[in-house]
Amino acid sequence: DSGVTQTPKHLITATGQRVTLRCSPRSGDLSVYWYQQSLDQGLQFLIHYYNGEERAKGNILERFSAQQFPDLHSELNLSSLELGDSALYFCASSPRTGIDEQFFGPGTRLTVL
Amino acid sequence: GESVGLHLPTLSVQEGDNSIINCAYSNSASDYFIWYKQESGKGPQFIIDIRSNMDKRQGQRVTVLLNKTVKHLSLQIAATQPGDSAVYFCAENLSGGSYIPTFGRGTSLIVHP
Repeated sequence: DSGVTQTPKHLITATGQRVTLRCSPRSGDLSVYWYQQSLDQGLQFLIHYYNGEERAKGNILERFSAQQFPDLHSELNLSSLELGDSALYFCASSPRTGIDEQFFGPGTRLTVL
Repeated sequence: GESVGLHLPTLSVQEGDNSIINCAYSNSASDYFIWYKQESGKGPQFIIDIRSNMDKRQGQRVTVLLNKTVKHLSLQIAATQPGDSAVYFCAENLSGGSYIPTFGRGTSLIVHP
């Protein structure tokens, strides 16, 4: 157990809908990272927050957004969902920012029908 | 468990053998490299990292070798155990201090007892 929690574990929704994925980092970790893992694209970095501020963006679509709250938990919002958004979404946390060992959560499996 | 990808390269070894997993990275400006292990149904797990000013780094039963001339990274696992069975990913990060990694597609390691 990495100490990172993600909810929900599974999510099934329809095209065009909006969902919110939640991540609680390990106690004391200030950085949260979001990743998408799909069968065709593999693992892709989406976005990094540190202590409430966005620090880096990867391959994140404009339909997706994220935020990190004062209690350091983070949410990833996915809107206008498409079939291709079906994937595993992982959150990871680390103590600091930049280059640091990350601890991954168990992931949220999103299925868009 | 969850499948993390189709048509991944597969390495099959016998328990007790040494395993070598290879990765070709794409950007000569990358200066930080990470190996992750992902077991079926779980999130990725950090194994070992290496910076571009090093050629070799050793951990517990694992060694990472970096050849910048040919942009090649390898992960050596000594005395491979059934618990090492997983998908292994390499990731490269461009220099500049920000964490914006690019992941390889992964290699599936199967360890036979």
